[in-house]
Amino acid sequence: GQQLNQSPQSMFIQEGEDVSMNCTSSSIFNTWLWYKQDPGEGPVLLIALYKAGELTSNGRLTAQFGITRKDSFLNISASIPSDVGIYFCAGSINNDMRFGAGTRLTVKP
Amino acid sequence: SQTIHQWPATLVQPVGSPLSLECTVEGTSNPNLYWYRQAAGRGLQLLFYSVGIGQISSEVPQNLSASRPQDRQFILSSKKLLLSDSGFYLCAWSRGVLNYGYTFGSGTRLTVV
Repeated sequence: GQQLNQSPQSMFIQEGEDVSMNCTSSSIFNTWLWYKQDPGEGPVLLIALYKAGELTSNGRLTAQFGITRKDSFLNISASIPSDVGIYFCAGSINNDMRFGAGTRLTVKP
Repeated sequence: SQTIHQWPATLVQPVGSPLSLECTVEGTSNPNLYWYRQAAGRGLQLLFYSVGIGQISSEVPQNLSASRPQDRQFILSSKKLLLSDSGFYLCAWSRGVLNYGYTFGSGTRLTVV
């Protein structure tokens, strides 16, 4: 099946710094989604992308659907302590959903 | 609005004991339902999914099973737990078309001792 490669696996940053993470695949997807998981909770949808090239923002978060439909990135600007958690990308095509392995973000005050 | 309930939140069970985790969805009909497992600090592993009552597809062979006795109820079971069954179990639902992604429950932390 299609595999998603998510990087980096983990990030340790200072409060106020910007963050960038991405997902790549060897196959195309019709939809890219980004989730955040707080410790001990289920993942929550942050941003959904439906068209190649689409750039969507949600507050300090910005995500893009790659032109080739094989990649997506998520940027977080001016990080704050509550941004800590695990961020998952997910790609969907033909009723099949695949998740990346997650990026664990730690923000130092 | 749609909501998903998952319980219990935490569970400590001895090796060899049975397991039953329950998930229910409100506010929608005929959802697709999923069970995922997440090992500590790791990614999400799809265990089972269901597109309708009594319809279960298994992604990974193991000593777990799933059932869907009602349209909005999904149950994860085991007859005899193993130590390796410890983990964080997540239930999720979606509409038939996955463009809107999944909505996850709050998870069950299972520790097998």
